[in-house]
Order: sequence, then C-alpha cells, then structure tokens
Amino acid sequence: EAGVVQSPRYKIIEKKQPVAFWCNPISGHNTLYWYLQNLGQGPELLIRYENEEAVDDSQLPKDRFSAERLKGVDSTLKIQPAELGDSAVYLCASSAGVAGGNTGELFFGEGSRLTVL
Amino acid sequence: QQQVKQSPQSLIVQKGGISIINCAYENTAFDYFPWYQQFPGKGPALLIAIRPDVSEKKEGRFTISFNKSAKQFSLHIMDSQPGDSATYFCAASLNSGYALNFGKGTSLLVTP
Repeated sequence: EAGVVQSPRYKIIEKKQPVAFWCNPISGHNTLYWYLQNLGQGPELLIRYENEEAVDDSQLPKDRFSAERLKGVDSTLKIQPAELGDSAVYLCASSAGVAGGNTGELFFGEGSRLTVL
Repeated sequence: QQQVKQSPQSLIVQKGGISIINCAYENTAFDYFPWYQQFPGKGPALLIAIRPDVSEKKEGRFTISFNKSAKQFSLHIMDSQPGDSATYFCAASLNSGYALNFGKGTSLLVTP
C-alpha cells in the first residue's frame, strides 16, 4: 500500500515568490494534517482537515498561507509571498481516525523541504 | 507555548546499552501519548504509544513508562543498536484522532 506522497521534495525560491506543496494521503484516510518542522525541532501543526473541512487552522498564518483539500482527498498548501523565515520542512500526514477500531495513528510523508533565499 | 517538554536534546549510548528519553506535559486532558522515530530525510513514523489507563507498555526492545500523577512519560530502548540512531519525538493529544503536540526531539546516537 502506498504511503503519504508529497511533492516537490525540495524547493528553492527567492523571498516574495509564491510556492505550493502537494499531498496525496493514504487511500481511505479522511483526516489530513499539514505540519511545519523547523531544523532541530518537532513538527508543529498548521492545519487539520476532516474530509474537505478544515477543522483546526488556528496555527496557520492566514496572511500568507493558504490550504485546500478538494474532494476530501489531495491537498495543497500555498505560501504567498514566501519569507526567509519560512525555510523549513513541510510535512503532510494522514489518519484513518479512530472509528471502526482504527488506532488513529498518523502516517507522515517524507516532507517538502523549502529554502527561501 | 510548548505543551510537551522533552529531554535530553541529544543522547549518545553504546551498543547494547539502555537509551532513556523523558517527556513532561501540562494538559491533563491529554490521553494519548505516542513516540515517533525520524530518520534523516524521512517523515516521523510511529514507534509505540500508550494511554493513561496503563503505567507501562512494552513492544520488543521499546518500553513506555507513564506516570499520570507526575504528568511524565518516558521511552526506554533496551539493548540499543546502531540502527536505532535517529531522532525521537514524544507527543501528546486529546485523543488518538486529534492533532499531535510534539516535543522538540532527542537525537540519539548509538555507537558500535
């Protein structure tokens, strides 16, 4: 079974440019998360989706970040304009939740590493 | 605000030794406490998890000890191997279906 797929794996842009990251979760996983991981730090939640609804976006800097999950499957995270401090790894994770005996485990993708020059 | 505090930041253990990583949390409503393992260039992967109704859970060489009254939990890696060298994150959430609050991570190096 395929895991969580993210692209691109690496992206280098100049400040003030836009950037977008794409995530394809594990098939059947209704819950999708975007996390930000700075170097040497733990992941920090940006946004959580239940199907196509963003149920927790309190940590998403809405002045420059946006996200969408069309049809409750794939998701994109966009930054416009990017700032130097946005350099980090953006992790996508998905979960089947806890219904039906599922454990609620989060499965992470390999991340998209952004460098803003 | 860091809801989960993890220590040490880094750890060096000889092969065959015991690795111990500690975490403390503040929110008494948390009821799901997983540990994630992350190798360079990879996403975190679930290692082992515990709920507060038990004080200990063991899976192979990995054991979680949980102290509800102290709001602390720890990961013990017995017979540590070089292949265990990775970054370990403790986390906590209101439920296993909710977003995780991660600690800052512990970089473990197991020397041959």
